[in-house]
Amino acid sequence: QKEVEQNSGPLSVPEGAIASLNCTYSDRGSQSFFWYRQYSGKSPELIMFIYSNGDKEDGRFTAQLNKASQYVSLLIRDSQPSDSATYLCAVLTGTASKLTFGTGTRLQVTL
Amino acid sequence: EPEVTQTPSHQVTQMGQEVILRCVPISNHLYFYWYRQILGQKVEFLVSFYNNEISEKSEIFDDQFSVERPDGSNFTLKIRSTKLEDSAMYFCAAGGAGKSSYNEQFFGPGTRLTVL
Repeated sequence: QKEVEQNSGPLSVPEGAIASLNCTYSDRGSQSFFWYRQYSGKSPELIMFIYSNGDKEDGRFTAQLNKASQYVSLLIRDSQPSDSATYLCAVLTGTASKLTFGTGTRLQVTL
Repeated sequence: EPEVTQTPSHQVTQMGQEVILRCVPISNHLYFYWYRQILGQKVEFLVSFYNNEISEKSEIFDDQFSVERPDGSNFTLKIRSTKLEDSAMYFCAAGGAGKSSYNEQFFGPGTRLTVL
């Protein structure tokens, strides 16, 4: 069973701080990794994807991948109250490129 | 920016009835998916569809489920005889826009299915 694990949270950070969200996965053959944001009652919204070891930056977001440790993370700099949501880690698996999701980490950015 | 659209936004049905959920994927995408999310649980893969046929399906996608894309635009998920446990948000997703090797998937707004 291919698993994606996330701490469910909530992770509470003050406005302006860095939020660090973590994810581990079990399938060593996984090639691509995605972070989605999901507001309550809404659909997943793609934030970033990463496929190479190291860091990838996009605005306030940085994705980090360590394939040897089977670990993916998402850093959110200068956290805003509007960043309060559930962040889903997803791993691309299988020949048909299905996504396997973690349970998500709920982030709360406090004023 | 092109979006995946889904109808209806909310469907209420009686147990044992058939439902059809509809999706209009992004036109230049090649892969189409259905996922579901039971309230409070993780997003789960149901089925992927490529070149007018099912590429892969999960254990959830049993004989009660079917998908089709009859007119080259609408992508539908049919549940023949709904059960209480089919109550969930159903998301359509599109991916594989050719140039991308990483198959980002873009989700529609979802259909909330309530089975009574």
